[in-house]
Amino acid sequence: QSALTQPRSVSGSPGQSVTISCTGTTSDIGTYDYVSWYQQHPGKAPKLIIYDVTERPSGVPDRFSGSKSGNTASLTISGLQAEDETDYYCCAYAGRYTWVFGGGTKLTVL
Amino acid sequence: DVQLVESGGGLVRTGGSLRLACVASGFIFSDYEMIWVRQAPGKGPEWISFISETGNTMYYGGSVTGRFTISRDNAENSLYLQMNSLRVEDTAVYYCARILGSGNHWGWFDPWGQGTLVTVSS
Repeated sequence: QSALTQPRSVSGSPGQSVTISCTGTTSDIGTYDYVSWYQQHPGKAPKLIIYDVTERPSGVPDRFSGSKSGNTASLTISGLQAEDETDYYCCAYAGRYTWVFGGGTKLTVL
Repeated sequence: DVQLVESGGGLVRTGGSLRLACVASGFIFSDYEMIWVRQAPGKGPEWISFISETGNTMYYGGSVTGRFTISRDNAENSLYLQMNSLRVEDTAVYYCARILGSGNHWGWFDPWGQGTLVTVSS
């Protein structure tokens, strides 16, 4: 499978909103609603922040939201805070117990 | 606390072998499907292997098929990844993770272990 496509970087000022896109194909995002998003700080393991396209695990602020349209999923972070500055990865199920990840997006809070 | 702890990484020559282990605690290990994911330096994660709750079903990514073998010992709450014929491009941090969900709401990973670094040198 090919990796999902994410922008290499996005940026926003504190308090603003940013959206990170994640483009796949009809074999993954376009067919299955098993899309999740992970936040990863340098030197740390990825942390789940969105699952099932739109759901947030307990403890994740409601500033984080997810959506999907066609072959593209999106992560929106509203009310940007300095602590949000790090890397974000999308992940999608691609059938037959296989998954594909995005290449990652570095979020900079200006 | 739900926790996964990997071990077994290290420096190995091309063509060599390593066996990674992942010990689970804080949950009923035998109730969950598990995966291995790796992340090369500066790259996004790459899913490499899946195993069912009982260990009877396994799947692999194309880059490791025929070289890596996933297994588990539910009595020991442990997941393993046997890596043979290692290549320079296998250099990465290797993570184990638990798969959550069921039915039509399934397929996300939480938690992840802290990772173990595998370096393959020629």
